[in-house]
Amino acid sequence: DQQVKQNSPSLSVQEGRISILNCDYTNSMFDYFLWYKKYPAEGPTFLISISSIKDKNEDGRFTVFLNKSAKHLSLHIVPSQPGDSAVYFCAASELNDMRFGAGTRLTVKP
Amino acid sequence: GAGVSQSPSNKVTEKGKDVELRCDPISGHTALYWYRQSLGQGLEFLIYFQGNSAPDKSGLPSDRFSAERTGGSVSTLTIQRTQQEDSAVYLCASSHPRGTGELFFGEGSRLTVL
Repeated sequence: DQQVKQNSPSLSVQEGRISILNCDYTNSMFDYFLWYKKYPAEGPTFLISISSIKDKNEDGRFTVFLNKSAKHLSLHIVPSQPGDSAVYFCAASELNDMRFGAGTRLTVKP
Repeated sequence: GAGVSQSPSNKVTEKGKDVELRCDPISGHTALYWYRQSLGQGLEFLIYFQGNSAPDKSGLPSDRFSAERTGGSVSTLTIQRTQQEDSAVYLCASSHPRGTGELFFGEGSRLTVL
């Protein structure tokens, strides 16, 4: 039962451009949403989060947008840098029970 | 150390053998999670411990999988009679009860079943 879905397994963008990673969820009880970044041979690391009471959260080059009616969230990275190349996981939680999407591999080309 | 510690980092075993994977969470973190990532797949939820409450075992794929958490700290994930499809990276994470909800992950234990 995939409650969190990332339908794009990969994304390639040019350095300096915007990267947009998308995520959909099915459980309307999720109250907290997060993005994690994972490099090879390392555990995922927290990137940015948003509470269900907000629709936008910005942290430097990273912005997360939440559309509750559509059960959709997205991560925008601008400008994209080669060091951003990694797998990005979307996660959603309900009372600390956290579920992850399958991940999107982002490649930022110099 | 200050982070989530997992051991072993790599484990190669023969089909049918039992394995134990260990997770030492960050001190003071009451929530502990096990996930696994198979080759080319996302993070698959396995089990979740929160304090002294009964664990959420809904993600365990079969009765060959079990986990315990002793004293509210260290956790052990046990896989009995391993199968080749059990090959994956097993990730442990913990979170603080009064934190922002983010999980802190260990580096994972890579299990290869021959």
